[in-house]
Amino acid sequence: RKEVEQDPGPFNVPEGATVAFNCTYSNSASQSFFWYRQDCRKEPKLLMSVYSSGNEDGRFTAQLNRASQYISLLIRDSKLSDSATYLCVSRGGAQKLVFGQGTRLTINP
Amino acid sequence: EPEVTQTPSHQVTQMGQEVILRCVPISNHLYFYWYRQILGQKVEFLVSFYNNEISEKSEIFDDQFSVERPDGSNFTLKIRSTKLEDSAMYFCASSLRLDTYNEQFFGPGTRLTVL
Repeated sequence: RKEVEQDPGPFNVPEGATVAFNCTYSNSASQSFFWYRQDCRKEPKLLMSVYSSGNEDGRFTAQLNRASQYISLLIRDSKLSDSATYLCVSRGGAQKLVFGQGTRLTINP
Repeated sequence: EPEVTQTPSHQVTQMGQEVILRCVPISNHLYFYWYRQILGQKVEFLVSFYNNEISEKSEIFDDQFSVERPDGSNFTLKIRSTKLEDSAMYFCASSLRLDTYNEQFFGPGTRLTVL
């Protein structure tokens, strides 16, 4: 079983729509979780950390369910600039980040 | 804003040759990492480095790989004898601390092509 599993998509949604991504992780000892964004052939960039209580940053909302080992990301009022691959990430060992395969999102005008 | 830099942006080499990928982490950061991403696949952890020694490494990071911090600013990844399957994007990252939510900042990557 993959350590971090995501639906690879692609998701194609119209501008202004709300889109949600889900992710599951297998290592119950994982301590922290993140959503990174990766544009084509670029480096991953941190979008937001995911806290147990859930957290929001503008149009983005992240949720963590430790009992189900499930993480989600909600994007409201999507913009063309949100088109990217969204990477679900857990911190595995003391330092290493464990990445999912990524979910590709395209926002259409 | 401080950033991680990497050189070269693209390296082409022949199978069996040695390559050195270079990184300059953010200046006050203490923890350094290498990741790689084979085209179309996920980002994979290779190694972490702190206080001039490897603190964690993955199964991928075998004897063909080594890392070094030769001076106060550079952090290098050496592949001794490259194989075709080493072709990938190699990302360097750094972080200030090691606590739970401390962000790892990624460089723009070096695309390694092994022919």
